[in-house]
Amino acid sequence: ILNVEQSPQSLHVQEGDSTNFTCSFPSSNFYALHWYRWETAKSPEALFVMTLNGDEKKKGRISATLNTKEGYSYLYIKGSQPEDSATYLCAPGMNRDDKIIFGKGTRLHILP
Amino acid sequence: ETGVTQSPTHLIKTRGQQVTLRCSSQSGHNTVSWYQQALGQGPQFIFQYYREEENGRGNFPPRFSGLQFPNYSSELNVNALELDDSALYLCASSLSSSGPGVSPLHFGNGTRLTVT
Repeated sequence: ILNVEQSPQSLHVQEGDSTNFTCSFPSSNFYALHWYRWETAKSPEALFVMTLNGDEKKKGRISATLNTKEGYSYLYIKGSQPEDSATYLCAPGMNRDDKIIFGKGTRLHILP
Repeated sequence: ETGVTQSPTHLIKTRGQQVTLRCSSQSGHNTVSWYQQALGQGPQFIFQYYREEENGRGNFPPRFSGLQFPNYSSELNVNALELDDSALYLCASSLSSSGPGVSPLHFGNGTRLTVT
């Protein structure tokens, strides 16, 4: 069973502050790492798919890094805004034809 | 471009009954994955269909079964419903030209199943 850990489980951040959280996964047989944002009453939305060690992706104020050798990825949010309040899910795929397994997510609350 | 649609949005069933959930994949997508999301958990992988064939299955009993049709829409069937089957069921489609794993998933809004 693939063990995907996300930390912290929950996070409260003041509007305007920057924040980051972690996804850990087994480093063997890694193929791809997905990040999704899931806002309340909406469906999960893809943020990034990363495959290469050292990969860094950016979308507006959100960026992510990937370390496949040690099995972790960081998601960063710069200058948090109320619309960033959501659950952030990471999901590694461990070989090309395998399923994508989700962590439990980090629930981010932006305080006004 | 039509997104992923799931039906019904909500459903209440009695223990022991059977249920069919439906998913229309995004136009042009050939892969459909089904997930179960229980309270406090991340989405749990049920199974995936790629070009009408099952392509991977999670830790779910055989009473969870599925189909993918030639137009790439999909069904999830659950027999002999149990109380623990109460959850949000998410369908996600993707385009995998040479095999799944890399393409981002496009999710529907889910079906909320309550088993009493």
